Amino acid sequence: RKEVEQDPGPFNVPEGATVAFNCTYSNSASQSFFWYRQDCRKEPKLLMSVYSSGNEDGRFTAQLNRASQYISLLIRDSKLSDSATYLCVVKPHASGGSYIPTFGRGTSLIVHP
Amino acid sequence: DAGVIQSPRHEVTEMGQEVTLRCKPISGHNSLFWYRQTMMRGLELLIYFNNNVPIDDSGMPEDRFSAKMPNASFSTLKIQPSEPRDSAVYFCASSFFDFSGIGETQYFGPGTRLLVL
Repeated sequence: RKEVEQDPGPFNVPEGATVAFNCTYSNSASQSFFWYRQDCRKEPKLLMSVYSSGNEDGRFTAQLNRASQYISLLIRDSKLSDSATYLCVVKPHASGGSYIPTFGRGTSLIVHP
Repeated sequence: DAGVIQSPRHEVTEMGQEVTLRCKPISGHNSLFWYRQTMMRGLELLIYFNNNVPIDDSGMPEDRFSAKMPNASFSTLKIQPSEPRDSAVYFCASSFFDFSGIGETQYFGPGTRLLVL
């Protein structure tokens, strides 16, 4: 099983739609979770961190389910500008002073008019 | 802040040539990561430095790849000799790591697009 798995998509949705992505992880010791966004031919950029209690940032909502070992990203009222690849990132706890983040392969979202 | 700076932005070279990629992390950051991204394999971590010391280089493909971080503001990734299968986008990222246990944000450079003919 891969450490971090995502459905590559693409998810093809109309403007205004609500879309959700999941990301599963295999390391139960994982402690930090993030969603990054990567536009075509650009570098990944942090979209939002994922907190245990779930968190919202405008149209974006991130949730963590530790029992089932997955995180999710919900996008409401999709905009054309949301078209991108969404990468999930999982990190173990930094108890030893160093740790390695693991990126998923990404989920492609295409929002059309 | 200028962000993470990488050079060159594009590199086209012939098989067998030496390639050197450069990275300047964000000032004050103490962690630096080199990644390689391809369509087939996604984003792969090659090597991770903390306070200029290589912590994990298990992702480095083979001896043809080497990375250095002589000081806190500069790192290089060298491929010698280069091969066509090394063609990819190479990203450098930096972050500030502390011992609070809270995951920190990685900031990526714009990447170097490498094509080995």
